[in-house]
Amino acid sequence: DQQVKQNSPSLSVQEGRISILNCDYTNSMFDYFLWYKKYPAEGPTFLISISSIKDKNEDGRFTVFLNKSAKHLSLHIVPSQPGDSAVYFCAASEVRTSYGKLTFGQGTILTVHP
Amino acid sequence: SQTIHQWPATLVQPVGSPLSLECTVEGTSNPNLYWYRQAAGRGLQLLFYSVGIGQISSEVPQNLSASRPQDRQFILSSKKLLLSDSGFYLCAWSQTDSSTDTQYFGPGTRLTVL
Repeated sequence: DQQVKQNSPSLSVQEGRISILNCDYTNSMFDYFLWYKKYPAEGPTFLISISSIKDKNEDGRFTVFLNKSAKHLSLHIVPSQPGDSAVYFCAASEVRTSYGKLTFGQGTILTVHP
Repeated sequence: SQTIHQWPATLVQPVGSPLSLECTVEGTSNPNLYWYRQAAGRGLQLLFYSVGIGQISSEVPQNLSASRPQDRQFILSSKKLLLSDSGFYLCAWSQTDSSTDTQYFGPGTRLTVL
């Protein structure tokens, strides 16, 4: 049972345009959500997170939106840059657990063309 | 600041050989520690987590084991490797006293079992 799903395996965007990466979850107990960026042969890098008490969190070019009723979150990158080309993972957790287990989606490969 | 190290960076091992991957964290105390595996073309799968020295929990049954001999050291082992153990192994840490579950990843180890 995949509790976090990224249904788009890949996304291609022109430089300067907006990139929108989507993520759906099924576990209503999830209350903290994160996005990670990963280059090949490297560990994931934390990008941005959002708590379930919010519906939007912004950090520079990155904005995460959370729609709890739809169990959906998205990552917006504006403007997109070629250096943003990477695999993006969304992850979710139940903060109340003692060890902070993260459940990851399968990832979306973002390619930003110059 | 906190840093996380993993070694070796790459490893090629024959089927049936033993395995030992090491992860250390600097700049923090009593972290939660995690081992993940990313198989080719797939997302991140949590293998083990640890909330303290000698405390290991397994998420999936397998021929791998983990140990935490020191506060900031986490070791992934196997007595006999299988072909299916090939993948990219990632260690991560998070703060135990944090209100969020943000995990920070190491650079990873690429394991190829032949």
